[in-house]
Amino acid sequence: GENVEQHPSTLSVQEGDSAVIKCTYSDSASNYFPWYKQELGKGPQLIIDIRSNVGEKKDQRIAVTLNKTAKHFSLHITETQPEDSAVYFCAATDSWGKLQFGAGTQVVVTP
Amino acid sequence: NAGVTQTPKFQVLKTGQSMTLQCAQDMNHNSMYWYRQDPGMGLRLIYYSASEGTTDKGEVPNGYNVSRLNKREFSLRLESAAPSQTSVYFCASSESTGELFFGEGSRLTVL
Repeated sequence: GENVEQHPSTLSVQEGDSAVIKCTYSDSASNYFPWYKQELGKGPQLIIDIRSNVGEKKDQRIAVTLNKTAKHFSLHITETQPEDSAVYFCAATDSWGKLQFGAGTQVVVTP
Repeated sequence: NAGVTQTPKFQVLKTGQSMTLQCAQDMNHNSMYWYRQDPGMGLRLIYYSASEGTTDKGEVPNGYNVSRLNKREFSLRLESAAPSQTSVYFCASSESTGELFFGEGSRLTVL
């Protein structure tokens, strides 16, 4: 089945710097790769997603890149702000179309 | 528009007790899901329901049962709770394999 690995598990950045989170997946049939943000005490919320026919997608300060050959995708957050502090999860669809999540990255943005 | 509503938000059980987590969505979504979240393990799918009247096992179904009561409601039952079921439980809904909308979670402790 699908196995999604996510790194790093924690990431501390200075406000204004960039943050990068990387994920790898194992199932070559995966075709949908969303990223979710979870704030303390809340449920995860979709922030950006990418499908396998696209290499890069951008939405204001966040971007996702996908390398299907290498089976990895990354989340990039530029000009980080304190409100970017949260846990971020990557995910990939398995052979049945169900999402398999990575273990999560705790991002801390320090002023 | 409430989205996905879960009850209760917190529960403490003794080993062997039973309980039901309730979930309701008001977005007219066909698919509903139950996940558990444990530190360092991301979100793992317990059960899902692709449409009213159908349910299927996910990655970690043992010790749980579900009921898709109608299109809006999807409940998760623990018949005989075990300490290993201490976790945060999230209900989610979606249209097909699109964006997942999560509830705020139910924190369960089994002593």
